[in-house]
Amino acid sequence: AQSVTQLDSQVPVFEEAPVELRCNYSSSVSVYLFWYVQYPNQGLQLLLKYLSGSTLVKGINGFEAEFNKSQTSFHLRKPSVHISDTAEYFCAVSVTSYDKVIFGPGTSLSVIP
Amino acid sequence: DAGVIQSPRHEVTEMGQEVTLRCKPISGHDYLFWYRQTMMRGLELLIYFNNNVPIDDSGMPEDRFSAKMPNASFSTLKIQPSEPRDSAVYFCASSSTEAFFGQGTRLTVV
Repeated sequence: AQSVTQLDSQVPVFEEAPVELRCNYSSSVSVYLFWYVQYPNQGLQLLLKYLSGSTLVKGINGFEAEFNKSQTSFHLRKPSVHISDTAEYFCAVSVTSYDKVIFGPGTSLSVIP
Repeated sequence: DAGVIQSPRHEVTEMGQEVTLRCKPISGHDYLFWYRQTMMRGLELLIYFNNNVPIDDSGMPEDRFSAKMPNASFSTLKIQPSEPRDSAVYFCASSSTEAFFGQGTRLTVV
């Protein structure tokens, strides 16, 4: 079975500051990794995904994430956040790129003006 | 394509009533998922289908919950009878190479 841990439930950060949202996963088989964003009262939108190849993955809205197999981590980063980045961020894993997705508990990012 | 379409967006019902949530997946997607989101439990996978066939329903909380997918363009999640603890946001998602989520149905059982 797969599981996802997001150690930070809430992350406040000032506008234009960098941010890192942490994600660790557990799996006995190789997995695919995802980051989703949920804006208030909205569904989930895919930010980026790691399927294979380069361990540094770039996504939408200036976000990127790095896959680290030895540390079983997939941390999300952005060099300079905007007010509009305030949202809930979910790390997720799947055994295939299209199969059921298992989500972490989420990290609430609050960008302070 | 309009994306994954869920209806209704909001549902308020009294305890004991039957509730039916609806989902229209993206055309051509052969996987469909139902998730439930609550503050306490986060995002939970309830059930998913492949080519209209239920593959894994181990996340369905109890027999009051049932899901069907009569064809490739429609799925329902039914709760009968509903209870206050069923209050949550229910998401439908479909995928071919990656999952796309609907806007969700916010269910309130009073």
